[in-house]
Amino acid sequence: AQTVTQSQPEMSVQEAETVTLSCTYDTSENNYYLFWYKQPPSRQMILVIRQEAYKQQNATENRFSVNFQKAAKSFSLKISDSQLGDTAMYFCAFLEYNFNKFYFGSGTKLNVKP
Amino acid sequence: AAGVIQSPRHLIKEKRETATLKCYPIPRHDTVYWYQQGPGQDPQFLISFYEKMQSDKGSIPDRFSAQQFSDYHSELNMSSLELGDSALYFCASSSRQGANEQYFGPGTRLTVT
Repeated sequence: AQTVTQSQPEMSVQEAETVTLSCTYDTSENNYYLFWYKQPPSRQMILVIRQEAYKQQNATENRFSVNFQKAAKSFSLKISDSQLGDTAMYFCAFLEYNFNKFYFGSGTKLNVKP
Repeated sequence: AAGVIQSPRHLIKEKRETATLKCYPIPRHDTVYWYQQGPGQDPQFLISFYEKMQSDKGSIPDRFSAQQFSDYHSELNMSSLELGDSALYFCASSSRQGANEQYFGPGTRLTVT
């Protein structure tokens, strides 16, 4: 079974600064998908960014980018120019290539301070 | 754009009662996943369906059952409810033809009293 580890239970960052959230995973598969989901206090799960394992290029979505290191099984999320609205719980997730199941990390609570 | 729809959004039941949660995936999505998220916990996988067939099963209690119908909507049936079943239940959908689409519904908040 796949496992996803987020070693930072909670982080803080000043508004407009940059923060990096860490995620490592363990799998024997070669093809898979990785995601970062944001869960604000409303508890809605919002897709932030996704990465296909077969793509070497790191995904970027506006202020959000990832550092995908396949050999190291690492998938960190960088948030640039942090905004107050970025305050939320962030979950790293792994999707099997056969699409059967998502695996989630335990989450990192991000607090953006004014 | 259409999103995943879950109903009801909130549900209050008493112990030993039965609850049915519904999930309507994004149009043309063929895969549905159910997750349970307790307070302060990460989402726990319950079960998934692909083309109306169960594709994987996680930590779903025997008191729960689920199915996916011909129109691809899915229902999670929960019987003999316990206090510990109080949680947020998410449904997510995806298309195996398009890896770029995996979206979660808003969740159903179940409270068992």
